[in-house]
Amino acid sequence: DGGITQSPKYLFRKEGQNVTLSCEQNLNHDAMYWYRQDPGQGLRLIYYSQIVNDFQKGDIAEGYSVSREKKESFPLTVTSAQKNPTAFYLCASSIKTSGHTDTQYFGPGTRLTVL
Amino acid sequence: AQSVAQPEDQVNVAEGNPLTVKCTYSVSGNPYLFWYVQYPNRGLQFLLKYITGDNLVKGSYGFEAEFNKSQTSFHLKKPSALVSDSALYFCAVNGYNFNKFYFGSGTKLNVKP
Repeated sequence: DGGITQSPKYLFRKEGQNVTLSCEQNLNHDAMYWYRQDPGQGLRLIYYSQIVNDFQKGDIAEGYSVSREKKESFPLTVTSAQKNPTAFYLCASSIKTSGHTDTQYFGPGTRLTVL
Repeated sequence: AQSVAQPEDQVNVAEGNPLTVKCTYSVSGNPYLFWYVQYPNRGLQFLLKYITGDNLVKGSYGFEAEFNKSQTSFHLKKPSALVSDSALYFCAVNGYNFNKFYFGSGTKLNVKP
């Protein structure tokens, strides 16, 4: 899991609540990513950020929001607008070299369950 | 369109036998190709990558992968499987000036004693 930490490991949300998932990295990487993983499925990109104070929507951004105020931190908020948020959430970071994005390193994940 | 395909949802192999997990890709320009492994309730761990050079790439835990440009494939291999290799494996690709990765759907590897 390298130098990327995610907290909490498990999170429970009631209907109508917003919750925030933390992601911190000490790898000095410019780029950070949030993915959602559902049982038996691959990874789906929620948001990504190449530099501080800038981020882009991924494939399933609806119902989620992010911020990138510091290079080391990329928190994800799951809003009440996300109707089916129960999933495993993975944060990753990477450097960008010569026009490509190099290896992504992943955190240990947060499992979110809606009660 | 950019994409990655892992045609097998599951691969079963006996311990000690060679294993292959298949991956094909479609991306414009020269690709960066990656393999990751995921154990239950854990994040993805980086295994190996191809950027340029030798088509046979060696990685962690005895795994290797062969880049085949003409077949647009990047199959993961290991000469002798271990029960502890049982996990979910993901192939990923990144193209030039792409700010994100494209991941395959994953292949579950089952190694039986």
